[in-house]
This record gives sequence, structure tokens and C-alpha cells, in this order.
Amino acid sequence: NAGVMQNPRHLVRRRGQEARLRCSPVKGHSHVYWYRQLPEEGLKFMVYLQKENIIDESGMPKERFSAEFPKEGPSILRIQQVVRGDSAAYFCASSPSLLAGYNEQFFGPGTRLTVL
Amino acid sequence: AQRVTQPEKLLSVFKGAPVELKCNYSYSGSPELFWYVQYSRQRLQLLLRHISRESIKGFTADLNKGETSFHLKKPFAQEEDSAMYYCALSGGRETSGSRLTFGEGTQLTVNP
Repeated sequence: NAGVMQNPRHLVRRRGQEARLRCSPVKGHSHVYWYRQLPEEGLKFMVYLQKENIIDESGMPKERFSAEFPKEGPSILRIQQVVRGDSAAYFCASSPSLLAGYNEQFFGPGTRLTVL
Repeated sequence: AQRVTQPEKLLSVFKGAPVELKCNYSYSGSPELFWYVQYSRQRLQLLLRHISRESIKGFTADLNKGETSFHLKKPFAQEEDSAMYYCALSGGRETSGSRLTFGEGTQLTVNP
């Protein structure tokens, strides 16, 4: 079990380009969460997805950001027309199907996005 | 709104000394509280959760609803405890899924 995989680990983009961040959850996990960590800050929730469904996107910026978790393949966090303020570490976490309460979230190593 | 506060960004102790990492929270319902740890060059991992009431690597944390705190304690710190520690809160069934609200983290350094 390789755990949560994220790629790329480091991504450099120029202002105005698109950034695509990928997350492969733990095998068998059907819940994916994305968090963003700005410099000198804690992790902030962005979006919660299940297969083919966005459950909670209340932490996502209203523009330029989107996320998906298709039936097949990894979850994708997409940032269009990146700006310098998007530079951050983006973490993905996965958990198994929710039972009657909390299920532990397993975190990936993160993708560090740098916008020039 | 839910909020987690870790007042100390940096904490330095000597090996064998007691250590306490502070965490205070704000939440109107019945939260679930967690401590996550990130060792150098490793990914974030769960250290302990309040509902388990267990001790992991010698660490314990007690949820104090009156003071809205969930401080992490260890009586005798070890050098391998040096890491970044994050306190996190989940609203449990009262929020969607298990989304976590994190504090800003405390970097613990245990000196020899």
C-alpha cells in the first residue's frame, strides 16, 4: 500500500498558465480532500469529493479553481490563470467510506506550486 | 464558524524535559479533536484523537470543553519528537464528511 500519491511534487508555472495537481488516494478509499497551505500558515480546507461528486467546495476560491474525482483515475485540482498568490503547498488526503463518525484521513506528500 | 488556535509557532525544550503544546478551539457543537505530526521530510500523519483517549509515543491530550482546549503533553521529551505539530478539529456529523480545520502549527525542537 503506497499510500496517497500526489504528482507532481513540485510545479512551477508563470502567471496566467494553468496548473493541474493530481492525487491518487489510498486503494479502496472513496473520499478525497484537498487542503492548501500558504507560507507560514496552517492547512486550509478547500474541497471534499467522492467518486464523481463534489460534496463540499466551500473552501474553494470562487474563480479559477476546480476539482474533480472521476470514476476512473486520480482526483485533479485545476487552477486556471495562476497568480503569484496561488503559490502554496497543496495537500490531498483520502479516507475510506464514512461510517458512523470520523474516519482517519491519510495525507499525501503535497505538491508545492510556485508561480513566477 | 470553527477555529483552532496554536499560540506558539516555535517551542524548544531539552531532552527529558516535559513538553506541552497548546491548542484552543472555537466550535459551537460537539467537535472531534486531533493532533497531527509532520516529521522532517515526511508526510502529515495522525498522532492521536481525543475520542480514543490513548497515549501514542508517550503523548497524551485531554479535551477540556470548559476551557475549549486540547493541549498535547509528554512528560519526558525525546530528540525524535522534534517535528511540526498541528492541532485539528472536525465537526463530525454536524459538517459534511470529515473536513478538518487546522491550527497554524507548532514547531517543536528537542535539544540534546
